[in-house]
Amino acid sequence: AQSVTQPDIHITVSEGASLELRCNYSYGATPYLFWYVQSPGQGLQLLLKYFSGDTLVQGIKGFEAEFKRSQSSFNLRKPSVHWSDAAEYFCAVALGVDSNYQLIWGAGTKLIIKP
Amino acid sequence: EAEVAQSPRYKITEKSQAVAFWCDPISGHATLYWYRQILGQGPELLVQFQDESVVDDSQLPKDRFSAERLKGVDSTLKIQPAELGDSAMYLCASSLAGEPGELFFGEGSRLTVL
Repeated sequence: AQSVTQPDIHITVSEGASLELRCNYSYGATPYLFWYVQSPGQGLQLLLKYFSGDTLVQGIKGFEAEFKRSQSSFNLRKPSVHWSDAAEYFCAVALGVDSNYQLIWGAGTKLIIKP
Repeated sequence: EAEVAQSPRYKITEKSQAVAFWCDPISGHATLYWYRQILGQGPELLVQFQDESVVDDSQLPKDRFSAERLKGVDSTLKIQPAELGDSAMYLCASSLAGEPGELFFGEGSRLTVL
């Protein structure tokens, strides 16, 4: 069955340090890949997406992610985190055909920023 | 900027009571989703609408949950009777038809069942 794995339940990073959040998926073909962010008590916001083409995609808020087919991974990165990046981050895969898509979600990684 | 509107933001109810959540998607978004999110977990799809039709409600506990989108615009999710295990965040999202995964979420409705 298709699945999305985020191995880290939470990660603590110092402000100004670099960040990498891991995401692995299980799917036969190249899926549509997404990262969403959820600030405390809020809904989710799309950070970036990968459909095809350049495997390094840029998103909002200075985030980027790299699709690696050989590793079935889509890791999220940021060169220098800010305290406002403290949130929960969800990786997701869209599966479907003919305009009918379903999102398979990872369990999320909570990002904690140390001052 | 257009947003997905949800109400109420917070709801406290006693078990066995009825509760309803409302969602108004972004204008022009044909696809509407209701998700349930338990603290510390990812969203779980309850129901997906395409216009007024249900596309997927396989995870909706139909003995107590119902959802409708009568005119293909706003939507209501109802729980009757509420149980302690229903305490969660209920998220509504919308998207353009045919746009895989690009969902726009509301701020959610936090339900606490006592």
